[in-house]
Amino acid sequence: QQQVKQSPQSLIVQKGGISIINCAYENTAFDYFPWYQQFPGKGPALLIAIRPDVSEKKEGRFTISFNKSAKQFSLHIMDSQPGDSATYFCAASSTGNKLTFGGGTRVLVKP
Amino acid sequence: KAGVTQTPRYLIKTRGQQVTLSCSPISGHRSVSWYQQTPGQGLQFLFEYFSETQRNKGNFPGRFSGRQFSNSRSEMNVSTLELGDSALYLCASSPEGQKETQYFGPGTRLLVL
Repeated sequence: QQQVKQSPQSLIVQKGGISIINCAYENTAFDYFPWYQQFPGKGPALLIAIRPDVSEKKEGRFTISFNKSAKQFSLHIMDSQPGDSATYFCAASSTGNKLTFGGGTRVLVKP
Repeated sequence: KAGVTQTPRYLIKTRGQQVTLSCSPISGHRSVSWYQQTPGQGLQFLFEYFSETQRNKGNFPGRFSGRQFSNSRSEMNVSTLELGDSALYLCASSPEGQKETQYFGPGTRLLVL
């Protein structure tokens, strides 16, 4: 059972553009929603995280929007740069440090 | 601080064998989690250890096991390897509490032939 659904699977954006990745979850017990960035040959690295009492969180060029009633959250990457080309994973947690990951989005930023 | 280290980085085994992977968390971190990453199934949680006790477990068969030592280093073991166990095995550590930032290691790439 895929508890966190992520879309799109891949995304091509021009340098300076906005990348938008969406995730939807089913388990209402989830209460921690991080986003991870992974480069080839590396482990995932935390980008930004949000808890359900907040509807939006911004850190630099990265913004999470959270809609608790719709059970959806999204990552916006503003002013996308070639160095942002990576795979992005949304995740959710309800207990301990167990993360349930979305399927991932491969982002390619064209110069 | 040094990051999460995993050894070995690459491993080739044959079906039926067993394998042990090692993870050294960031100094001071007491929670260690293990994940399996495959192209088909994505990132899946295996288990989490905290203070030498398994705190959470994912939906993997009993062939997958783990343990944590008093210095927080962790090992995971896979017995009776199957072709489908070929994957990148990632270890992540976090300081103490729950739902904190998890820091991932580079992973161990296991190929089962």
